[in-house]
Amino acid sequence: DVKVTQSSRYLVKRTGEKVFLECVQDMDHENMFWYRQDPGLGLRLIYFSYDVKMKEKGDIPEGYSVSREKKERFSLILESASTNQTSMYLCASSLLMGGLGNQPQHFGDGTRLSIL
Amino acid sequence: AQSVTQLDSHVSVSEGTPVLLRCNYSSSYSPSLFWYVQHPNKGLQLLLKYTSAATLVKGINGFEAEFKKSETSFHLTKPSAHMSDAAEYFCVVSGNNNDMRFGAGTRLTVKP
Repeated sequence: DVKVTQSSRYLVKRTGEKVFLECVQDMDHENMFWYRQDPGLGLRLIYFSYDVKMKEKGDIPEGYSVSREKKERFSLILESASTNQTSMYLCASSLLMGGLGNQPQHFGDGTRLSIL
Repeated sequence: AQSVTQLDSHVSVSEGTPVLLRCNYSSSYSPSLFWYVQHPNKGLQLLLKYTSAATLVKGINGFEAEFKKSETSFHLTKPSAHMSDAAEYFCVVSGNNNDMRFGAGTRLTVKP
């Protein structure tokens, strides 16, 4: 079974801090994704990556950056955390075969981030 | 561009009765469609997917969904609800242009 592991389940940070969220997958998937989940809005894509050192902006990249130095690891960075970034963050991975959107995604359990 | 609408934000059923969660989509391409389930404090788990093969798709835990192109719908059904089905369900549409859209979610409550 594919396992996607997010480093923290709960995280509390202060406004202005630089925050790192880490995600590791163990199935050699090419694609990795970062979403935020807010009530009533579903999941919104922040960034995705289809290869090492490659990244693409999703729908809401402002205030975020990402890093993919190794195939199995995809990091989300909040450059200067703000209260409106309080949310649930979900990482996912998938195979590239057939196109980015045609393969099911495997999700981690999420990181609930609170910015005070 | 693609979009997906889950027609109900909350559905409540009694245990043992049928479940219907509705999803309509809009897509400029031949879409791939997915249903995911999310239990509290967990990530999303794939229930089933449609990728232009059979229009009636069977998934895990007794769920199935039917792709109806004429109605642009992909409703999720289950003949008999179980208490463990209580969760949030997401419909997802995607196409070859790497554009994936999640619905806002439907929260399913199962009453004893």
